[in-house]
Amino acid sequence: AQKVTQAQTEISVVEKEDVTLDCVYETRDTTYYLFWYKQPPSGELVFLIRRNSFDEQNEISGRYSWNFQKSTSSFNFTITASQVVDSAVYFCALSEAQDSWGKLQFGAGTQVVVTP
Amino acid sequence: DADVTQTPRNRITKTGKRIMLECSQTKGHDRMYWYRQDPGLGLRLIYYSFDVKDINKGEISDGYSVSRQAQAKFSLSLESAIPNQTALYFCATSDFPSGDTQYFGPGTRLTVL
Repeated sequence: AQKVTQAQTEISVVEKEDVTLDCVYETRDTTYYLFWYKQPPSGELVFLIRRNSFDEQNEISGRYSWNFQKSTSSFNFTITASQVVDSAVYFCALSEAQDSWGKLQFGAGTQVVVTP
Repeated sequence: DADVTQTPRNRITKTGKRIMLECSQTKGHDRMYWYRQDPGLGLRLIYYSFDVKDINKGEISDGYSVSRQAQAKFSLSLESAIPNQTALYFCATSDFPSGDTQYFGPGTRLTVL
C-alpha cells in the first residue's frame, strides 16, 4: 500500500505566485522521518529538508516553508513568490524506525511548472 | 567532484544482455541504496546495504542483483535485461548516526530495447 500520497500530479503557476504541495503519509511507527526532495529538469535529486516525528515545529528556509501536522498526517511544502528556477518535480518521502531507517518510501511526486 | 558518482550515465542495451551499473561515494557513509524511477511512480527501492557484509532486498528486487565491493562501492546488475527495466536508476548513500538522510547520485538512464 502506498504510504506517501502526493495527490497533486502537476501544479502550474505564474512567477511570484505562492504554491503549496500536499503530502499525506501513513505509518504505525511513532518514530519516523519525513523528507522533501527536488528533482529539476536536469534529473538529479536534491535534498531539501528532513523532519522527525517528534518535531512538529514549522520550518522556513528562504522562500521555502514546511508545515508538519501529525494530527492529519501531513507534511506540506510551500514555495513563496515562486520563480522559474523552482520548476521541478518535488517528492515527499518517509522513513520509519521499523526499517532501521533504511527504506525511503516516496510519493509519486508533484510537477511544479512556473511560467514567467 | 561529486560525492556520489554513477557510471555509466546513459546506457542503451538489448534484451537478454547483462548490464552492470556502478556507484561510488566519497562521503564515507556506511549505507548505500539502489532505486529505480519510473514516470508517475516516484522512486522504488531495489536493494540496500547497511555495511559491506550486509545486503537486503527492497521493494522490487526481482531481476536484479547487487555487490558491495567496498564501503565506497555498490554495483547493481541486471543479469538478463528486459524492456520493462527501462528506467532511471539512482544510487544513494546515508550516514545513520547523523540522521540517515539519503544523498543521491546523478542517476543512470537505462534503455532496454
